[in-house]
Amino acid sequence: GAVVSQHPSRVICKSGTSVKIECRSLDFQATTMFWYRQFPKQSLMLMATSNEGSKATYEQGVEKDKFLINHASLTLSTLTVTSAHPEDSSFYICSARVPGVRETQYFGPGTRLLVL
Amino acid sequence: TQLLEQSPQFLSIQEGENLTVYCNSSSVFSSLQWYRQEPGEGPVLLVTVVTGGEVKKLKRLTFQFGDARKDSSLHITAAQPGDTGLYLCAGDQGAQKLVFGQGTRLTINP
Repeated sequence: GAVVSQHPSRVICKSGTSVKIECRSLDFQATTMFWYRQFPKQSLMLMATSNEGSKATYEQGVEKDKFLINHASLTLSTLTVTSAHPEDSSFYICSARVPGVRETQYFGPGTRLLVL
Repeated sequence: TQLLEQSPQFLSIQEGENLTVYCNSSSVFSSLQWYRQEPGEGPVLLVTVVTGGEVKKLKRLTFQFGDARKDSSLHITAAQPGDTGLYLCAGDQGAQKLVFGQGTRLTINP
């Protein structure tokens, strides 16, 4: 299957700082990527849809000013958690849709964020 | 309101037994995916079903999409300890947005 990478795999930061997470499609170009959040023992919740060259579309209840998304190229989307607080601690996962295979998304390995 | 109801949420059985996981909704999906997720990792795609009534097999795993494209099932035959993991169903609502079920945490005991 297609390969999606994320960096970093885990990050620990102090409350009030900003953290950037990168999502890359390694062997294909992705015009659309998605960002999810997963709390322990829970399922994935879609946060936003990242579109190359345009603004991201956020799901209801997700603060766009807190979770900044930039999809600057066809292989890279970034999620920046601004002024992070302990309640932002979670597992953040991105996915990318493979062009021409409408129904299929491939997921990155996830980024574990811990805000102290 | 959970759009996709997945059941059971926890299942622990002995090696060699069969099991079925269900994913139900009142909504119609254009497609439905099944994923498996290991702790600390992202979900790995197992299968995508698109056509109502479709059945797909992946070794000992059989996936079925309901005729009305509102529900799906995953059946594992002769479960093995290596099948242990979190199984997630996800429905495509359109615009490629996926909604996930709660997940089924499966444990196969040797």
